Amino acid sequence: GQQLNQSPQSMFIQEGEDVSMNCTSSSIFNTWLWYKQDPGEGPVLLIALYKAGELTSNGRLTAQFGITRKDSFLNISASIPSDVGIYFCAGQRTTSGTYKYIFGTGTRLKVLA
Amino acid sequence: NAGVTQTPKFRILKIGQSMTLQCTQDMNHNYMYWYRQDPGMGLKLIYYSVGAGITDKGEVPNGYNVSRSTTEDFPLRLELAAPSQTSVYFCASSYSASGGRDAQYFGPGTRLTVL
Repeated sequence: GQQLNQSPQSMFIQEGEDVSMNCTSSSIFNTWLWYKQDPGEGPVLLIALYKAGELTSNGRLTAQFGITRKDSFLNISASIPSDVGIYFCAGQRTTSGTYKYIFGTGTRLKVLA
Repeated sequence: NAGVTQTPKFRILKIGQSMTLQCTQDMNHNYMYWYRQDPGMGLKLIYYSVGAGITDKGEVPNGYNVSRSTTEDFPLRLELAAPSQTSVYFCASSYSASGGRDAQYFGPGTRLTVL
């Protein structure tokens, strides 16, 4: 099955640093979503993007819907230890009238205090 | 609003046993989904439903069955458990309509081990 290309796969950063991750695809999407998954928990929605070029913030998080509709990025500013987790992107498109969500492989973030 | 709830949280099965994973959402969402997540991996779609009485296969449906008799409930059935079905199972729901501002919301997961 198709999955989005998400990078980096993992990263270690120092507390206070900014983090950037992105998702790319060969297909266009109508919606881009970013999730965070803590160990032993389900993914929690962070940011939803609905329009090409859209830039949306949620606290220290900022995400953008790429102009080509084939990519999206997520930035975390001034990282803190609780930012540790796995970040997933997801793209939504309509296939034969049905909404389908395709997920990235995840970026594992570890923050060193 | 409880969102998406799943039961049980944990379960150990013997090979060949059967069980049903329960999923309920109280957001009046029309779409519901079942995913599995293997260790260190992303999410794979097992089955989904676009509304009560309508279900369809996802990427990895073999060994599973679903039903959707109500808008709120979307149980996942394992008929003959196999070790390859050891995984974490997530249920999700979304409100999806033409021009709608849709997003998926996930339950907390069911951790299943088949020995």
